[in-house]
Amino acid sequence: GAVVSQHPSWVICKSGTSVKIECRSLDFQATTMFWYRQFPKQSLMLMATSNEGSKATYEQGVEKDKFLINHASLTLSTLTVTSAHPEDSSFYICSASEGAYEKLFFGSGTQLSVL
Amino acid sequence: QKEVEQDPGPLSVPEGAIVSLNCTYSNSAFQYFMWYRQYSRKGPELLMYTYSSGNKEDGRFTAQVDKSSKYISLFIRDSQPSDSATYLCGFTGGGNKLTFGTGTQLKVEL
Repeated sequence: GAVVSQHPSWVICKSGTSVKIECRSLDFQATTMFWYRQFPKQSLMLMATSNEGSKATYEQGVEKDKFLINHASLTLSTLTVTSAHPEDSSFYICSASEGAYEKLFFGSGTQLSVL
Repeated sequence: QKEVEQDPGPLSVPEGAIVSLNCTYSNSAFQYFMWYRQYSRKGPELLMYTYSSGNKEDGRFTAQVDKSSKYISLFIRDSQPSDSATYLCGFTGGGNKLTFGTGTQLKVEL
C-alpha cells in the first residue's frame, strides 16, 4: 500500500510554545489530507480536512487559530499547534487520500506532551 | 442512536482461535466498508475494504457485509499474538467522510 510519513513520532514541549507536525505522502500525490486527534482508548476524531492549495476545513469545535494547517503541495501537509497547553497533549494522526475516502493511508502518528 | 456502534472489548482469545469482530451502522448512505488495525501508539493500517454485501477474503482475514441488516464483521482465522491490536471499522460513501467505530481491543494469548 501507499506510504504516509509523519514526523516527529513524539514531541515534548513547554506550555506556550508552538509545535509543527509534518505529514508526507511518499509515493503518491495526495489531493486531500486529514488530521485526527486520538485520546487513549478512544477512536480517531477528525479535526480538519485540507486540500492542496486551499484553506483547510475544520470540524465543529476545533479552533482554527490554535491548529494551523498548511497543505502547500500534493505531498506535504503540516499541522502547527500554536501556544500549546497541557490540554493539547494527545496523539495526532494524519492521513492522505489520492481521491477516494475508502482508500485512506495513515501516518504513524505523533504523541504530543505539553508540560 | 449512534451512527456506528462497535463493542470496545477488550477481547482475549487463545492463539489459533477464530476471532469475530463486529460493527453496526445506521447511515444508509454508507457505501464503502473498511477494517483498520491499529497497534498501540501507531497510525491505523487499512486491512480490508469492500463495497458490496457478501464476503471478501484475504489470507487469514475475511470481511463480511450485510447491508440489509447494516452489519459488518471481520473474521480472523488462526489468530496469532501479532494480531493483538485495536481493530476499527470504518464507513464512507454518499459524500460522507470516513466515520470510525470506537475500536475493539484484541489480545491473542499464547
